[in-house]
Amino acid sequence: NAGVTQTPKFQVLKTGQSMTLQCAQDMNHEYMSWYRQDPGMGLRLIHYSVGAGITDQGEVPNGYNVSRSTTEDFPLRLLSAAPSQTSVYFCASSYRLAADTQYFGPGTRLTVL
Amino acid sequence: AQSVTQLDSQVPVFEEAPVELRCNYSSSVSVYLFWYVQYPNQGLQLLLKYLSGSTLVKGINGFEAEFNKSQTSFHLRKPSVHISDTAEYFCAVSGQRYGGATNKLIFGTGTLLAVQP
Repeated sequence: NAGVTQTPKFQVLKTGQSMTLQCAQDMNHEYMSWYRQDPGMGLRLIHYSVGAGITDQGEVPNGYNVSRSTTEDFPLRLLSAAPSQTSVYFCASSYRLAADTQYFGPGTRLTVL
Repeated sequence: AQSVTQLDSQVPVFEEAPVELRCNYSSSVSVYLFWYVQYPNQGLQLLLKYLSGSTLVKGINGFEAEFNKSQTSFHLRKPSVHISDTAEYFCAVSGQRYGGATNKLIFGTGTLLAVQP
């Protein structure tokens, strides 16, 4: 099993550009989530999903969209990138609940100029 | 709303010394508590978790934590640290609200454990 994979590993965007961060898992997990990690702020939940077709907002959802058309994939879309979105983004998945063990991807380092 | 406070942003300690990383939580519902570890340039992995039962929880790599409901704390301890324990440690909380869903995992700001020889 590959576990949780994220692409790309690194990305540089200009202000106003849009892009999609990809996340996939091959463990048949129902629960998937996106976090951003910033120095001194820990990990903050952006969006999460409890199954295909079901998504909900986390702590910092503004500027991000998600969808979950399959169990395996949970892409994160930046609609119009801003410098404040410079961060490291982690995708995670678990069997069913947030309280189940989360498996994290390796992260995507995004810089917005 | 759930929240987690890790008061120490960095804890320096000498190798083979004991260490305690502090975590306090705030929640109006039953909670599940976690410690995750992040080694440099990697994603997070679970160290241990408290869901129910015994308040003393043992995890990987010799770490343990104690759930204290009256003090709303879940401090992480290790009796003797190694250089390889140098990493960032995150406390996290999740809860289920009866009749609804609070299916979120909320993290603290992290504590960098710096083990010195």
